[in-house]
Amino acid sequence: EVQLVESGGGLVQPGRSLRLSCTGSGFTFGDYVMNWVRQAPGKGLEWVGFIRSKANGGTTEYAASVKGRFTISRDDSKSIAYLQMNSLKTEDTAIYYCTRNYANQYWGQGTLVTVSS
Amino acid sequence: DIQMTQSPSSLSASVGDRVSITCRASQNISSYLNWYQQRPMKPPELLIFVASSLQSGVPSRFSGSGSGTDFTLTISGLQPADFATYYCQQSYSTPFTFGPGTKVDIK
Repeated sequence: EVQLVESGGGLVQPGRSLRLSCTGSGFTFGDYVMNWVRQAPGKGLEWVGFIRSKANGGTTEYAASVKGRFTISRDDSKSIAYLQMNSLKTEDTAIYYCTRNYANQYWGQGTLVTVSS
Repeated sequence: DIQMTQSPSSLSASVGDRVSITCRASQNISSYLNWYQQRPMKPPELLIFVASSLQSGVPSRFSGSGSGTDFTLTISGLQPADFATYYCQQSYSTPFTFGPGTKVDIK
């Protein structure tokens, strides 16, 4: 069974940093592109970015709203994808989901990030 | 960036009804269109990928159609578990934009 588990969320002050983790199981993690999608409270879904598999270059793409502040990386030996979030803003407050495949075939339960002073 | 719109933004329907939701892309996205269902306080779930392919485990009352810029999600015979919010998303080019969502509630 494919499972994705996010962790690392919490309350953080504006301007600070936070790193989220996404641990995958039940599949060969390194074979897949991994995405991050977020949802602000009471709002719709926003694609954050993805990291391709190493076989496809391991490159990343980001939404304009996070580019230059957020970095996605992966450690395939541990089946973990990371979302490093720097210079956090109040508008980054959201549930952050990791997903598998370009079509977001599988989703984790999400982790809540609250940016507030 | 490709903009995605959905209509209606909300609808009220009864169990057993046939419901259709439309998604429109601001430019040609071929068939790179996915549909998701999100129940309250739950993560979204993939229903349909590449416009018309049913995700494994999803009931056959869900179907998708369209290509280019205009797409439709149809639920044939609405069930109580189907009252939720539905999102479309294009995966043709980054940023992979989502539509604003369509909330389906009970009439």
